Amino acid sequence: GAGVSQSPSNKVTEKGKDVELRCDPISGHTALYWYRQSLGQGLEFLIYFQGNSAPDKSGLPSDRFSAERTGGSVSTLTIQRTQQEDSAVYLCASSRTRDYEQYFGPGTRLTVT
Amino acid sequence: RKEVEQDPGPFNVPEGATVAFNCTYSNSASQSFFWYRQDCRKEPKLLMSVYSSGNEDGRFTAQLNRASQYISLLIRDSKLSDSATYLCVVNSGNQFYFGTGTSLTVIP
Repeated sequence: GAGVSQSPSNKVTEKGKDVELRCDPISGHTALYWYRQSLGQGLEFLIYFQGNSAPDKSGLPSDRFSAERTGGSVSTLTIQRTQQEDSAVYLCASSRTRDYEQYFGPGTRLTVT
Repeated sequence: RKEVEQDPGPFNVPEGATVAFNCTYSNSASQSFFWYRQDCRKEPKLLMSVYSSGNEDGRFTAQLNRASQYISLLIRDSKLSDSATYLCVVNSGNQFYFGTGTSLTVIP
């Protein structure tokens, strides 16, 4: 079946602009996660959704970052007033429920100039 | 102390060699464990789950040692295509914790 998809695959934006990143999880997966990965670094947890609720927002680095999920499916991660340090690959993953293995999308490579 | 720790390597091994990675975790109540591989500039892909009884998938064997709080991954008869970064993942309570990865290069 279809895997996790993310769009856009690449995004170049100017410092100070807002960006929206989209994630379509695997159908039927109730848990959805956002991570980011800077070049040569490990994964940094951002936020987790169970259904449409986000019980764990602890990883969001600042109040410029927000995320929502609608219909228990698609999720968007919004970064307002982007900064150069926001440049990274943003990865989305989904899993059947919380304790199951996660499947990752191909990521969105964000470059802030 | 980090939740999950891995030796970053790099491990450079010849084709056909056997190589093993360990990963330690700090929370004794951790519930589930996984190994992922990540190729350069790609997303992590699930390699295998790690069960209490250990599990094997072809050339790959994963084991869990709860007493010493580590998981291991053994790769036998290494292939060039095994070159990647291997991430260990531990589920503790409400969080998944990713190790920073161990880099493996298999040399012809």
